[in-house]
Amino acid sequence: EPEVTQTPSHQVTQMGQEVILRCVPISNHLYFYWYRQILGQKVEFLVSFYNNEISEKSEIFDDQFSVERPDGSNFTLKIRSTKLEDSAMYFCASSLRQSYGYTFGSGTRLTVV
Amino acid sequence: AQSVTQPDIHITVSEGASLELRCNYSYGATPYLFWYVQSPGQGLQLLLKYFSGDTLVQGIKGFEAEFKRSHSSVNLRKPSVHWSDAAEYFCAVGHGSGNTGKLIFGQGTTLQVKP
Repeated sequence: EPEVTQTPSHQVTQMGQEVILRCVPISNHLYFYWYRQILGQKVEFLVSFYNNEISEKSEIFDDQFSVERPDGSNFTLKIRSTKLEDSAMYFCASSLRQSYGYTFGSGTRLTVV
Repeated sequence: AQSVTQPDIHITVSEGASLELRCNYSYGATPYLFWYVQSPGQGLQLLLKYFSGDTLVQGIKGFEAEFKRSHSSVNLRKPSVHWSDAAEYFCAVGHGSGNTGKLIFGQGTTLQVKP
């Protein structure tokens, strides 16, 4: 069964450093998403991406965050200057249609120290 | 405001017993409704989705959900729980039309299965 692949599975970074989280969505999918889950809290929507542009973003997704689909296969989330409160599990997801049959990746655990 | 509530943070059931996980939502429009499961160290796996039509929806792994519009609820059920069902379960809602695919998740229910 096709999978969404996220790398790395765990990343530790120092506060203030830039970090890039990488995702390879399912190859024929057209809609891409990032969510995050702070330990013990809800899964929260960050951003949706379609046709090479952001279609919606949450208030969490401020100027420190950006997304990019640099080629036909990767979808990245960049955090420019990480803060302690950015520590969370970050999930990438993709779908073929806006029917919400998302496939999620297994996540990247980001730890900011 | 749009919200999803899973009243039970933690549930323990015996293997072979029936299961019902509760989910209530508050949503202005006709929502799309989803249940996901997350095993430790794994991503979120879609169990089932409800868009319209029958109010009893069948999912994978023997799960089903009943949508009750009058109660704004979509509870997840399984007649007989297996030890491998121990995981965290998330209810989520999305907008029914003109949407961007955003989902709003509940806080999750952790299911423990006793032998």
